[in-house]
Amino acid sequence: GENVEQHPSTLSVQEGDSAVIKCTYSDSASNYFPWYKQELGKRPQLIIDIRSNVGEKKDQRIAVTLNKTAKHFSLHITETQPEDSAVYFCAASNGMDTGNQFYFGTGTSLTVIP
Amino acid sequence: KAGVTQTPRYLIKTRGQQVTLSCSPISGHRSVSWYQQTPGQGLQFLFEYFSETQRNKGNFPGRFSGRQFSNSRSEMNVSTLELGDSALYLCASSFAGGDGYTFGSGTRLTVV
Repeated sequence: GENVEQHPSTLSVQEGDSAVIKCTYSDSASNYFPWYKQELGKRPQLIIDIRSNVGEKKDQRIAVTLNKTAKHFSLHITETQPEDSAVYFCAASNGMDTGNQFYFGTGTSLTVIP
Repeated sequence: KAGVTQTPRYLIKTRGQQVTLSCSPISGHRSVSWYQQTPGQGLQFLFEYFSETQRNKGNFPGRFSGRQFSNSRSEMNVSTLELGDSALYLCASSFAGGDGYTFGSGTRLTVV
């Protein structure tokens, strides 16, 4: 089955700096890659996603890039703010045909230092 | 619109007991998935239901089971509870699968 690896496990940045979280996946059939943010004591929330037919997607200060050849995708957060502090999870899925099973990375705990 | 609702929010059970957790998906969502979240193992997939059928199953023992009703509401059952079953159980729904989940707030299960 799919194996998703996520790095780093912890990340501290100064407010205003950029943060980058990287994930690799093993199954070339994976075609959907969402990112979730989980604040302490709260539910994971979808913040951005990308499909395999797209190389990059942006939403304000957040962007995701996908390299299908290398089987890796990354989350980029620019101009970080304290409220960006949370655990971020990447995931990979091969879509609807065989069901909606997501394989999650182990999470990155991001701390933005004011 | 209402989000994904999980009940109860907290549970304390004794080893050997069984427990049933409930999940009501967003209206119109037909896919419901269950995950176990622990500090050491992250988010582990339990199973997915779509139109009352289990479509995918993770690598959990048979003590973990689930079902989905005609209104898409889902229940998860864990029998013969073990200490290691203590975790946050998250339910997530999506319209048909293949797109991003909306998670519920979870049920925090503590087995003593």
